[in-house]
Amino acid sequence: GAVVSQHPSWVICKSGTSVKIECRSLDFQATTMFWYRQFPKQSLMLMATSNEGSKATYEQGVEKDKFLINHASLTLSTLTVTSAHPEDSSFYICSAVTDGRRSGYTFGSGTRLTVV
Amino acid sequence: DAKTTQPPSMDCAEGRAANLPCNHSTISGNEYVYWYRQIHSQGPQYIIHGLKNNETNEMASLIITEDRKSSTLILPHATLRDTAVYYCIVITPGFQKLVFGTGTRLLVSP
Repeated sequence: GAVVSQHPSWVICKSGTSVKIECRSLDFQATTMFWYRQFPKQSLMLMATSNEGSKATYEQGVEKDKFLINHASLTLSTLTVTSAHPEDSSFYICSAVTDGRRSGYTFGSGTRLTVV
Repeated sequence: DAKTTQPPSMDCAEGRAANLPCNHSTISGNEYVYWYRQIHSQGPQYIIHGLKNNETNEMASLIITEDRKSSTLILPHATLRDTAVYYCIVITPGFQKLVFGTGTRLLVSP
């Protein structure tokens, strides 16, 4: 079945630094990927839609200059949290549209970001 | 906004069937019903999906009412590892953003 690999699974960074999270589709081409953020005991909140070769579309309230998304190839999308602060600490999850496959959307395993 | 309504939590005894309901009264003709689950600190996992017919796979069964306004996910023999948050989502795959509601937190107990 379709597999999405997300890396790293966890990261701790200092306040003010930037962190890059990678999301790769391993056995299919993902023209569209989604990025989510999840705080403890809450549901997944969609941050942005990433389309290969074009600018990402951000949800209302999500700062595009803070959460940089790049989808330069059909198998890789990256999310960079710039100038991270403790309030950015969260669980970040990517997913990819698996057109034609049974699962519709496949998710990465998530990245736990802790900003200290 | 999520277009589904689910109970916030349910309990189930190990070995028994877990029946998780979902209301989606505004579902449109080209929207499918998808079920995902999220085990603690992991990414969501696909379970099953359907359009109007009942579906069954190795994980679960999906029962969709004739008017398609509600559905039930059935885990026939729940195990402790089925403890998770279960999300019911209606969507036209590939063309819409996958928006999550609050889901149902299923606790399977010995």
